[in-house]
Amino acid sequence: EDQVTQSPEALRLQEGESSSLNCSYTVSGLRGLFWYRQDPGKGPEFLFTLYSAGEEKEKERLKATLTKKESFLHITAPKPEDSATYLCAVQAGGGADGLTFGKGTHLIIQP
Amino acid sequence: EAGVAQSPRYKIIEKRQSVAFWCNPISGHATLYWYQQILGQGPKLLIQFQNNGVVDDSQLPKDRFSAERLKGVDSTLKIQPAKLEDSAVYLCASSLLRASEAFFGQGTRLTVV
Repeated sequence: EDQVTQSPEALRLQEGESSSLNCSYTVSGLRGLFWYRQDPGKGPEFLFTLYSAGEEKEKERLKATLTKKESFLHITAPKPEDSATYLCAVQAGGGADGLTFGKGTHLIIQP
Repeated sequence: EAGVAQSPRYKIIEKRQSVAFWCNPISGHATLYWYQQILGQGPKLLIQFQNNGVVDDSQLPKDRFSAERLKGVDSTLKIQPAKLEDSAVYLCASSLLRASEAFFGQGTRLTVV
């Protein structure tokens, strides 16, 4: 059974204080690892897809990296508008394409 | 480009009643998903459609949940009869290709009392 574990569950940072969120996974044949951002009362918003170990992707203050067992979402000099829940999900090999999500990391950036 | 549309945004029903949710995916997206998100959890896949065919419904509680996508565009998800544990946000998502990133709607928040 595919599993995704995210840590920490919650993280409070000061504006400008960089940090990393962790996503560890077990999956039968990883096809893709996805990061989403979710604001309260809204659906998840797509951020990145990573396909193979060693791959990195960046968007503004966010950088996602992937190893064979985990992914990190690095947040550099965050701003209050980066406050949200960040969800990690895996897409496994096989006939179906749905994602298995972790519980998310609730990030709060204080001004 | 218009996003994934869902309605209603909120619904409150009594247990044992029935309810239906509607989703209109992004134009041209052949793949459509329904997810259930319980408070404090990540979304959980219920069903995946490719055009109007079911690809995966292994996690759909088929004794009470049903879904259809008759013309390969809009989709409806129905619960009959509802239980208290069905209280959750029901999210619809669509993707251009089967393995590509999915884009989510705002969801329908269901409360069963």
